[in-house]
Amino acid sequence: DAKTTQPPSMDCAEGRAANLPCNHSTISGNEYVYWYRQIHSQGPQYIIHGLKNNETNEMASLIITEDRKSSTLILPHATLRDTAVYYCIVRVAKKGTSGSRLTFGEGTQLTVNP
Amino acid sequence: ETGVTQSPTHLIKTRGQQVTLRCSSQSGHNTVSWYQQALGQGPQFIFQYYREEENGRGNFPPRFSGLQFPNYSSELNVNALELDDSALYLCASSLGAGFTDGEQYFGPGTRLTVT
Repeated sequence: DAKTTQPPSMDCAEGRAANLPCNHSTISGNEYVYWYRQIHSQGPQYIIHGLKNNETNEMASLIITEDRKSSTLILPHATLRDTAVYYCIVRVAKKGTSGSRLTFGEGTQLTVNP
Repeated sequence: ETGVTQSPTHLIKTRGQQVTLRCSSQSGHNTVSWYQQALGQGPQFIFQYYREEENGRGNFPPRFSGLQFPNYSSELNVNALELDDSALYLCASSLGAGFTDGEQYFGPGTRLTVT
């Protein structure tokens, strides 16, 4: 799976959009981009994933650049409860892949301030 | 709430002992993955079970073993505990192996302390 690079920390004001970048310059054509977050002392939570098109769900939007070498997770109206470590993960999605796993890096600590 | 539960919540063991951690997956999910998370680090993949068979393993020694049962429950067993095994152990359930299991639903974890 491709390696990802994320800033170690970011701050955001409550009610504003939080834009979390991720660099994955060595991503392969069959690798998806996944985002998870982990609120302190809880298990990671799936947020969203995509291949090349932008994706949106009730939690967030995922913007993937045309060359797929980077992506941005957008939380449109951040709240205090969005304070967490955000992980960007790229992985192959292939039926029957043996040993499929999520490879977590160190992530970005997002702090939403009142 | 993900529908994934783990027990116990916390556990203290002595070096050299054995431990069994338990996980109950979301109903209908046929895949369970186990992760170890040391303090201040991201989770590290231990292994995955798909339809009760091991479907891949991370860089962990054989003293880490697992079982998956037909009722969507699973176990992580660790023998000969070492101090470095102190960590948060997470299980994650998903549907399918490889293609759709990027969406994994995590339990709250078991905090293991080895003294």
